[in-house]
Amino acid sequence: SAVISQKPSRDICQRGTSLTIQCQVDSQVTMMFWYRQQPGQSLTLIATANQGSEATYESGFVIDKFPISRPNLTFSTLTVSNMSPEDSSIYLCSVRDYHSYEQYFGPGTRLTVT
Amino acid sequence: ELKVEQNPLFLSMQEGKNYTIYCNYSTTSDRLYWYRQDPGKSLESLFVLLSNGAVKQEGRLMASLDTKARLSTLHITAAVHDLSATYFCAAPNFGNEKLTFGTGTRLTIIP
Repeated sequence: SAVISQKPSRDICQRGTSLTIQCQVDSQVTMMFWYRQQPGQSLTLIATANQGSEATYESGFVIDKFPISRPNLTFSTLTVSNMSPEDSSIYLCSVRDYHSYEQYFGPGTRLTVT
Repeated sequence: ELKVEQNPLFLSMQEGKNYTIYCNYSTTSDRLYWYRQDPGKSLESLFVLLSNGAVKQEGRLMASLDTKARLSTLHITAAVHDLSATYFCAAPNFGNEKLTFGTGTRLTIIP
């Protein structure tokens, strides 16, 4: 199974600032995903991070607000830009294992915007 | 657009009892995932169901998939306090790997 780490694990940020979240996987993976979990809610897919090309964003999420980088097959970053309190959520990185069909999640980054 | 519904949203049950969580999805999907989430934690993978009629069991949890009915169930047998958590089902949109999650079922086991 893939082992995923995320940094930071949590942060408290001021309105209007930006935070970059890192996701590191212990093996090469083709598909990486970023999800958001708002307090008390389910998970919503933000985007698919594609290696070597731009990320693919879901409806309601835009690149200017959530720029994503994917420089190689083991690493990705998600930036939450110009933050507002509504961005307070847990942000989770996820990868798909093509051999087992499993989809694994990182430990998450708990973001609070004040 | 794929929609995934779970019920119940909240479930409070006594130790030792049996219960089932239901997961319905709206369009064709060839797999179904079940996850567990403890408060303040990430998601732990429980089961991946890969075909119609698939049944998987781990301890007191058993999951099944009926692709024709677009229904998956997570059955809890003789519940114990350690099973208290939120359980999510998720289905991939047909043809890609994007998971759509259900609303989650918050399970509380009462001694």
